[in-house]
Amino acid sequence: AQTVTQSQPEMSVQEAETVTLSCTYDTSESDYYLFWYKQPPSRQMILVIRQEAYKQQNATENRFSVNFQKAAKSFSLKISDSQLGDAAMYFCASPQSKLTFGKGITLSVRP
Amino acid sequence: GAVVSQHPSWVICKSGTSVKIECRSLDFQATTMFWYRQFPKQSLMLMATSNEGSKATYEQGVEKDKFLINHASLTLSTLTVTSAHPEDSSFYICSARIWELRNYEQYFGPGTRLTVT
Repeated sequence: AQTVTQSQPEMSVQEAETVTLSCTYDTSESDYYLFWYKQPPSRQMILVIRQEAYKQQNATENRFSVNFQKAAKSFSLKISDSQLGDAAMYFCASPQSKLTFGKGITLSVRP
Repeated sequence: GAVVSQHPSWVICKSGTSVKIECRSLDFQATTMFWYRQFPKQSLMLMATSNEGSKATYEQGVEKDKFLINHASLTLSTLTVTSAHPEDSSFYICSARIWELRNYEQYFGPGTRLTVT
């Protein structure tokens, strides 16, 4: 069985600052993917970033990057230059036969 | 590309009636679709996995006779909530995966808000 843990229910960041959202996971697979999804107030799920476990290089998508620590089973998301539009719920997810989500974290951005 | 639509986006029904929610992959074929339920400020809870042409696989604790899932074509899956009750009020989200990509990414529909009065 796989588990995904997000222990921080809420976080707040000042606009233009950097924030890191934490996630840990557990899996018995040797090769796997990890995702961060964003759910804004519209509730449409949006893929933010994807990490393939066999790749040592951390994934980066514009202002979003991950810190993937495979041995520690940690997969945190860093948002740089935070914008008001980044305010949303963020879910860490690990897919195998089905997608397993963490509990999510609500990120607010202060103007 | 990889757009998933849901219809309706919001439905209100009376207790005891049934309501059907449609999930369509608009520009790709989805061998497998997933149905989730989400309460406010909570995570997505997987209800069932729907495979085209076969019976859906329900998660533990999900009543298969209450939540009927049909995946009759490669672009359409439906969720029917039978004999709905107020406790069934929730946000229902479907998603689809493109198996050929082998990247496990799921493409999500915009969701359907169900209110049972």
